[in-house]
Amino acid sequence: EIVMTQSPATLSVSPGERATLSCRASQNIRSSYLAWYQQKPGQAPRLLIYGASTRAAGIPARFSGSGSGTEFTLTISSLQSEDFAVYYCQQYDNWPRGFGQGTRLEIK
Amino acid sequence: QVQLVESGGGLAKPAGSLRLSCEASGFTLSDYNISWIRQAPGKGLEWVSYINSRGDTIKYADSVKGRFTISRDNAKNSLYLLMNSLRAEDTAVYYCARDIMALDYWGQGTLVTVSS
Repeated sequence: EIVMTQSPATLSVSPGERATLSCRASQNIRSSYLAWYQQKPGQAPRLLIYGASTRAAGIPARFSGSGSGTEFTLTISSLQSEDFAVYYCQQYDNWPRGFGQGTRLEIK
Repeated sequence: QVQLVESGGGLAKPAGSLRLSCEASGFTLSDYNISWIRQAPGKGLEWVSYINSRGDTIKYADSVKGRFTISRDNAKNSLYLLMNSLRAEDTAVYYCARDIMALDYWGQGTLVTVSS
């Protein structure tokens, strides 16, 4: 089983600044089968990034994903008020599909 | 537009059963794989089960294996999760999601509470 670990657990950033969220896998993830999701309170998660770096339909360009192997990063440039939420990474390389524990992005 | 709507949640007693449904619209369900994901109150996301478009490949998380059964009826554009032998730790919001390996569309979820 691939275990996904996200850091930090909570990230405090001011609007307009850049946020960098990390996700580490316990084993190599082939073909960058890694996704990022955003979840706001009371809402279902929303797909942001798949294939480690491809933005899903309708996702603003300020969201970018990078990484390969075991280390992945989600970067949000110039944070907007609507970006403060919880972010999850997920591997879909093998079973069971695993999520990280989440990073809460809060307003500083 | 693509929509997934879960139903069937509610209160169940420990060792009891519930059947969740997931109805799809805006796309042809029979063309897509579907996963169930759950989220316990105040906790993170946990992948629960997967079924491919034809229904001949099924996966479960170890935490539900032998207790939960996923199935689909493509003619009714619907998908199901039968949950038996429920435990308190199964209490969660259950989401169905279209599975293109990443999970590109999610329903709004249905709350399952297991309590005596």
